[in-house]
Amino acid sequence: GESVGLHLPTLSVQEGDNSIINCAYSNSASDYFIWYKQESGKGPQFIIDIRSNMDKRQGQRVTVLLNKTVKHLSLQIAATQPGDSAVYFCAEIGGGYSTLTFGKGTMLLVSP
Amino acid sequence: GAGVSQSPSNKVTEKGKDVELRCDPISGHTALYWYRQSLGQGLEFLIYFQGNSAPDKSGLPSDRFSAERTGGSVSTLTIQRTQQEDSAVYLCASSYDGTSGKTQYFGPGTRLLVL
Repeated sequence: GESVGLHLPTLSVQEGDNSIINCAYSNSASDYFIWYKQESGKGPQFIIDIRSNMDKRQGQRVTVLLNKTVKHLSLQIAATQPGDSAVYFCAEIGGGYSTLTFGKGTMLLVSP
Repeated sequence: GAGVSQSPSNKVTEKGKDVELRCDPISGHTALYWYRQSLGQGLEFLIYFQGNSAPDKSGLPSDRFSAERTGGSVSTLTIQRTQQEDSAVYLCASSYDGTSGKTQYFGPGTRLLVL
């Protein structure tokens, strides 16, 4: 389940489970919403994005859902693997497609 | 191909000293970004360069922070008179151009510790 860690919310799951990471955003004018994954000691890595006129987009083992009514974004990871353990950040970008605004992140811990 | 590289990977300095952090973006990428990440926190935007346009400096926290991008490639972030609250990981990213900002490629970061 979810818990608030010392610095980051943490989601602990078992290998093979499905994971759902949530994010609330504030800017209704954002054009794209993006998920990044950051492993320990590395920079963030792009996972998947969704345009604001969509409500669902699927990738390989990942699905992003966008609910504009309640300004909520989620990342679903199917069959979670230990290699998925990382901090996941949601981000948003406006119509100029220049700078990203990042959320605070959620740590995903996957136990074998 | 080569990704974004940053140097040094770690920097320890004394309060009041100046530091320079370097970023080499992916070859051909015209947009370059600097972010700061404090322990266990999200990424805080600092500055954005796109081609020959004037940089967007709106995220720089104080006038002790400055950045340059020479020749449209390598960038240097300079922090003058460092303070302990400057301790953080400084991340650089690049994207193909300014309209591709949703897909940014990040370097490994420079971990700065100010004693």
